[in-house]
Amino acid sequence: DAKTTQPNSMESNEEEPVHLPCNHSTISGTDYIHWYRQLPSQGPEYVIHGLTSNVNNRMASLAIAEDRKSSTLILHRATLRDAAVYYCILRKVGGSEKLVFGKGTKLTVNP
Amino acid sequence: DSGVTQTPKHLITATGQRVTLRCSPRSGDLSVYWYQQSLDQGLQFLIQYYNGEERAKGNILERFSAQQFPDLHSELNLSSLELGDSALYFCASSPTTGWGSGANVLTFGAGSRLTVL
Repeated sequence: DAKTTQPNSMESNEEEPVHLPCNHSTISGTDYIHWYRQLPSQGPEYVIHGLTSNVNNRMASLAIAEDRKSSTLILHRATLRDAAVYYCILRKVGGSEKLVFGKGTKLTVNP
Repeated sequence: DSGVTQTPKHLITATGQRVTLRCSPRSGDLSVYWYQQSLDQGLQFLIQYYNGEERAKGNILERFSAQQFPDLHSELNLSSLELGDSALYFCASSPTTGWGSGANVLTFGAGSRLTVL
C-alpha cells in the first residue's frame, strides 16, 4: 500500500472546526482513502472513506485534492469526545483487505 | 457496542504460559482480522481469516496461531508467552464479499488486554 504522511499531533478548541491533513503523493488511481480513529482505551473506529469525490457522513467530511495527492478530514464542530488518534490509510482495489496503520495524528481538543 | 465481541477483556498471566483470546464477529461478517497494539509498535496486523480460511498473514510470531471456526468466531492462541507479548489485542471483522474491493470497512472490537508478568 502507498505511504501516507500525517502530522504527529494537532490541537483544537471545542466547538471549532478541525482540519486534519494527510499527504499521499504516491497514491495510485485505484487507491481508496480511508480514515479511522482510535479513542483512548478503545479499538479503532471507521470514520469515512472516498476515492475521488469529496464525501460527507454524520461523523465528518473528507475533502480530496483534485490530483488526489492529499486529503483532509474535516470535523465540523470538535467535541471533547473527538480527542483521539486519527489514521489516514490507503486501500488498493485488488490489494489486501487488511488495514496498515501508521502513527496517525493525535488530536487534542481543549474545552 | 460495535458488534464485535472480544473475550476476555483483561488477562494477566506468567511468562511461559499459553492463553486463548476469542472473537465473535459482527453478524453477517465473514472476515476476521487480528491486530496487536503495544506502546512502542503501534497497531500491527497479525492475521486475517475469511470464511474459515487464512487470507493474509502479517508479522505473526510462530508462537502465535489463530483459526476461524464454522460459526465464524475466531481464536488467537498465544503460547510460550514472553514479557514483550504484553499488549492490547484487537479483533476486527468485515463483510468481505470479494478480494480487495478497496472500500471494505473494518469494525473493531474493544480489545483484550494481555499482561505477562
